[in-house]
Amino acid sequence: QVQLQQSGAELVKPGSSVKISCKASGYTFTSYDMHWIKQQPGNGLEWIGWIYPGNGNTKYNQKFNGKATLTADKSSSTAYMQLSSLTSEDSAVYFCARWGSSGWYFDFWGPGTMVTVSS
Amino acid sequence: DIVMTQGALPNPVPSGESASITCRSSKSLVYKDGKTYLNWFLQRPGQSPQLLTYWTSTRASGVSERFSGSGSGTYFTLKISRVRAEDAGVYYCQQVREYPFTFGSGTKLEIK
Repeated sequence: QVQLQQSGAELVKPGSSVKISCKASGYTFTSYDMHWIKQQPGNGLEWIGWIYPGNGNTKYNQKFNGKATLTADKSSSTAYMQLSSLTSEDSAVYFCARWGSSGWYFDFWGPGTMVTVSS
Repeated sequence: DIVMTQGALPNPVPSGESASITCRSSKSLVYKDGKTYLNWFLQRPGQSPQLLTYWTSTRASGVSERFSGSGSGTYFTLKISRVRAEDAGVYYCQQVREYPFTFGSGTKLEIK
């Protein structure tokens, strides 16, 4: 069965960077886009971008250009998102989600990784 | 960016009653292939969002027939029939018609 396992919560300082992971299992990792979504406390959902692990192609929400960098390691079936120059506005839960196999939707989601930016 | 605007519910909704959630987009979500790229998700407390419907009205695998999506162009509705306690949470509409993908702000459903 498809599973997306995300790395644990992070407490990081303003101005620093953090890299969170999303390990996929139960399907061919290189054949599906992996998307990332941000959810600030008590707020809605914001789409960050996607990576196609098969060739490393990416697409970003312009709002996150320079903030988020998506990569993927085919050997470990793991997608990564690095967030840089962190501020309090980056404190949020970050989800990875697989793009659907037969339609335009997210069919499987990870449990989320909470990132807290605080000095 | 396409703005998605969701309506509120008259919470709490009595168990067994129906509930309808509205969603408007600032631009038509009909793509050149004729399909309408509007998805609905449910996020239960402490959980990840779960896909309910896509292409406006196609139920995702394993989703109860009590959930039905409808609409066209820029106006959409998710109807939940015979609500149950397990339906409680926040419902989101999302457009995938164009980048950047955008979500509505969410509609909370509470069950009485």
